[in-house]
Amino acid sequence: DGGITQSPKYLFRKEGQNVTLSCEQNLNHDAMYWYRQDPGQGLRLIYYSQIVNDFQKGDIAEGYSVSREKKESFPLTVTSAQKNPTAFYLCASSIRRVLWKTDTQYFGPGTRLTVL
Amino acid sequence: AQSVTQLGSHVSVSEGALVLLRCNYSSSVPPYLFWYVQYPNQGLQLLLKYTSAATLVKGINGFEAEFKKSETSFHLTNPSAHMSDAAEYFCALTYRGGRRALTFGSGTRLQVQP
Repeated sequence: DGGITQSPKYLFRKEGQNVTLSCEQNLNHDAMYWYRQDPGQGLRLIYYSQIVNDFQKGDIAEGYSVSREKKESFPLTVTSAQKNPTAFYLCASSIRRVLWKTDTQYFGPGTRLTVL
Repeated sequence: AQSVTQLGSHVSVSEGALVLLRCNYSSSVPPYLFWYVQYPNQGLQLLLKYTSAATLVKGINGFEAEFKKSETSFHLTNPSAHMSDAAEYFCALTYRGGRRALTFGSGTRLQVQP
């Protein structure tokens, strides 16, 4: 079955630690995205990547880093510089058929990060 | 700049009643609009999308939405609520070209009473 997987489902971090959230897709999608979800605030864009080896900051990139070495994978690192990292993190992907179209984003099941 | 406003963070209806979830948008360019549903501790599932082909869009589970440019709205409706429709619903916007990421509303939690 094609889809997007995120791991782990739950993650606990001590203050001052970096943690990496995994996102893998086997949909052959070009574009991948990371969103953060907080109660009552909807989802906010952290980073996005439209092709391999390229990525761009979103609206709330401070304290986060990403890499896109493979088409299938877009890991997110939450660094100790992120002041309030407790949240639900969602990864999404979409095909990128042509430049002037926007394609539907499909979401993974999410990772809930809690800072102890 | 683009933005999405969902009126009502919580909506409660009786089983079998009409569901109406409101979404208004602001966009300087023609938008693409989406409704997603989220069940507790899960990812988002696409309900339906508007991409300028037809203003009345039908989605899964009996949901539909109508794009009204004059009102800058994209409200979601379902003629008959089921208990299984209880979830959080998000309206989202993007536009042709650009960074292609979605701008989300703050969400509406739908409660269905027996």
